[in-house]
Amino acid sequence: QKEVEQNSGPLSVPEGAIASLNCTYSDRGSQSFFWYRQYSGKSPELIMSIYSNGDKEDGRFTAQLNKASQYVSLLIRDSQPSDSATYLCAVNIVGGYQKVTFGIGTKLQVIP
Amino acid sequence: GAGVSQSPRYKVTKRGQDVALRCDPISGHVSLYWYRQALGQGPEFLTYFNYEAQQDKSGLPNDRFSAERPEGSISTLTIQRTEQRDSAMYRCASSPGPRRVYEQYFGPGTRLTVT
Repeated sequence: QKEVEQNSGPLSVPEGAIASLNCTYSDRGSQSFFWYRQYSGKSPELIMSIYSNGDKEDGRFTAQLNKASQYVSLLIRDSQPSDSATYLCAVNIVGGYQKVTFGIGTKLQVIP
Repeated sequence: GAGVSQSPRYKVTKRGQDVALRCDPISGHVSLYWYRQALGQGPEFLTYFNYEAQQDKSGLPNDRFSAERPEGSISTLTIQRTEQRDSAMYRCASSPGPRRVYEQYFGPGTRLTVT
């Protein structure tokens, strides 16, 4: 079982819709969770971090964490074509100190 | 201010040659990370430093790979006797320090091609 699992997609949503990106992780003790956005040919860029169960909102982005289910998600409201990118889920594994493990990434396509 | 820089941006080398990839982190950033990213994959952890100390090198694939950060700033990732399977994008990231591991700022990467 991979430490961080994501569906590679592509996930296609119409402009203005809510995009829902999902991620599961294997280490039950993990405490820090991150979402990075990576445009094609560019470097990853941190967009959200979440540490406790529940929701965290930042503009059009909402990160959701459920530690019991070992599940973290990213919701993008009012999706725009400029949101089209690969979204990487990353987890700081307990005992790994500063080591961050990334998932494969989900490719999001927002259709105008 | 200046972001993370990496050089060279592209490197083509022949199998068996040694290569050195350079990373210049954001000024003042304590922590520096090296990742490898294959096409269609997420970044794969290689190693990281706090100041000049290499804290974790568990992700280095084998002993042909090494990294250093002698003065706690610029870092070099060296691959000896390169093989075709080493071809990938190598990314460097820096962060302000151990308590801010989530604030990783990535450089543009070095695309390594081994022929």
